[in-house]
Amino acid sequence: DSGVTQTPKHLITATGQRVTLRCSPRSGDLSVYWYQQSLDQGLQFLIQYYNGEERAKGNILERFSAQQFPDLHSELNLSSLELGDSALYFCASSVGNLEQFFGPGTRLTVL
Amino acid sequence: GQQLNQSPQSMFIQEGEDVSMNCTSSSIFNTWLWYKQDPGEGPVLLIALYKAGELTSNGRLTAQFGITRKDSFLNISASIPSDVGIYFCAGATNFGNEKLTFGTGTRLTIIP
Repeated sequence: DSGVTQTPKHLITATGQRVTLRCSPRSGDLSVYWYQQSLDQGLQFLIQYYNGEERAKGNILERFSAQQFPDLHSELNLSSLELGDSALYFCASSVGNLEQFFGPGTRLTVL
Repeated sequence: GQQLNQSPQSMFIQEGEDVSMNCTSSSIFNTWLWYKQDPGEGPVLLIALYKAGELTSNGRLTAQFGITRKDSFLNISASIPSDVGIYFCAGATNFGNEKLTFGTGTRLTIIP
């Protein structure tokens, strides 16, 4: 158990819908990262927050957004969902260095 | 997005055998990490490397940070059934953020 929690574990929704994925980092970690893992793309970095502020952005679509709240939990919002958004979404956290600890993931299925 | 190249893509070995895999990049990285992922789970950090040429062990696992900073290697000695999974390398440049670029993965299978 990494100490990072993610909810929900599974999510099934329809195209065009909007969903919110939630992540709670390990106690004491200020950085939260979001990654997408699909079969043909591997693990792709989406976005990083550090102590409530956005620090780095990867290949995150405009339809996706994230935020980190004062209690350091983070949410990833995915809107206007398409079939191709079906993937595993992982959250990771760290104290601010490179050793990132991953949560169990949310499996999103868009039908 | 950019990915690191890992080889081999998959390995089929017998229990007790040693395993070697590597990760290469066209860019220089200042940090290399190795993760293992079991089906349906998140990646688990195995080893972190911070200096070119560094050799670090974690039990039966040994990883090396290549001298050119463009590659890294992972060895597993005397494999056991719980070593089955997908191994990912990840690199970071450390330039103002902690973004990791992940490799394509090596799938390890142990043949009974």
